[in-house]
Parts: sequence; structure tokens; C-alpha cells
Amino acid sequence: DSGVTQTPKHLITATGQRVTLRCSPRSGDLSVYWYQQSLDQGLQFLIQYYNGEERAKGNILERFSAQQFPDLHSELNLSSLELGDSALYFCASSVGAPSGFTDTQYFGPGTRLTVL
Amino acid sequence: AQSVTQLGSHVSVSEGALVLLRCNYSSSVPPYLFWYVQYPNQGLQLLLKYTSAATLVKGINGFEAEFKKSETSFHLTKPSAHMSDAAEYFCAVSVAGTYKYIFGTGTRLKVLA
Repeated sequence: DSGVTQTPKHLITATGQRVTLRCSPRSGDLSVYWYQQSLDQGLQFLIQYYNGEERAKGNILERFSAQQFPDLHSELNLSSLELGDSALYFCASSVGAPSGFTDTQYFGPGTRLTVL
Repeated sequence: AQSVTQLGSHVSVSEGALVLLRCNYSSSVPPYLFWYVQYPNQGLQLLLKYTSAATLVKGINGFEAEFKKSETSFHLTKPSAHMSDAAEYFCAVSVAGTYKYIFGTGTRLKVLA
């Protein structure tokens, strides 16, 4: 158990809909990362937050947005869903040291999103 | 721009045999490199990381990796495979100055009895 929790575990929805994925980081971790894992794209870095502020952006679509709240939990919002958005979405957290390039990331169990 | 390439999407070894999973990186600046393991239906877990200290890095579960700048490689090895090592392994590089992480496409390790 990494200490990172993600809800829900599974989500089935229809095209065009909007969903919210939630992540609670390990106690004390200030950084939260979001990843998308699919068979054709592999593991793609989406976005990172540090102590409530966006720190780095990866291959995140404009239809997707995220935020980190004062209690450090994070939400990933996916809108206008398409079939291709079906994937496993992982949240990870880390201490978030100033030189965070070497941070160990602790991954949650993931949310499996199925878009029908 | 930084990138990682994992050679071999599937590797099979016999139990007790040497495990060698290959990772090559591309980076214009000294890289920070990681190996993560993903067991079925679980998130990723860090095995080890290179942060410019020792070039031979020891990780959990008997794994180690050696950073070779001349070969731009960071291959993962384990002297003797165990059935419990069957999983998917990801090499990753952190993009200096950006806080981004780039993961390889993964290598699925199968251990044969």
C-alpha cells in the first residue's frame, strides 16, 4: 500500500460526458502527479501540482483540467469524453523537494475509466 | 529533449536465470533515471533511481542498475529471477528543470518455471 488513494476504482460513462477523478496523496507529500496509461500510448505524464500550484504540464488535453486543493488532495476533471479517453488514470505523490527532479513518486492504484 | 527507450516489450527468463532489462536514454544534460515496477492491477512502485551519485544503484528485491554515460544506458539486472518478479517494468527520466517525467513503453517480464 503506497498510501495514495484514488476514487473511484472504476468508472463507466458515455461519450460527451464529464467525470471527476479524485486523489489523496500520502501524508506529508506536497506534490501530486497525474498520468494516463493506455495500451496504445503507454504511460503519459499529464500534469503536476506542488502545494496547490501547477508545476509542470505534460500531454494533457484541453478537455482535461486538474487542481490541487488546500488540503492537498487533487482532482482531475475530464470533459467531452471520447472513446479514446478510456484508460487507467494514475495519481502519484511525492515529497516535492525544491529540486524535485529526483523525487520518488508513490503511485495510487489507479482509476479505470471506460467510455462507451 | 530527454527520452527513454526500452528495448524489448516482452522478455522471458527461466526461474533462477539472469534478468536483464534494457533502457537507453537521450539527454542533453545529466539525467536522473528511475526504474519502476508494476504488478498486475496495481500502481507503479519505485525499484531504484540514479541521481548522479554512485553509478551502480542497488534497489529493492535484489535489482540493480548501472548508469553508463558512454553507452547512454541504464539497464536493470537481477542475478536470479524469481516467479514473483513477473511484472511490467518501466524506465523513466526526469526532465531537468521542468519537473516532468518521461516513461518508457515498458517491458513485460515473464518468469518460466
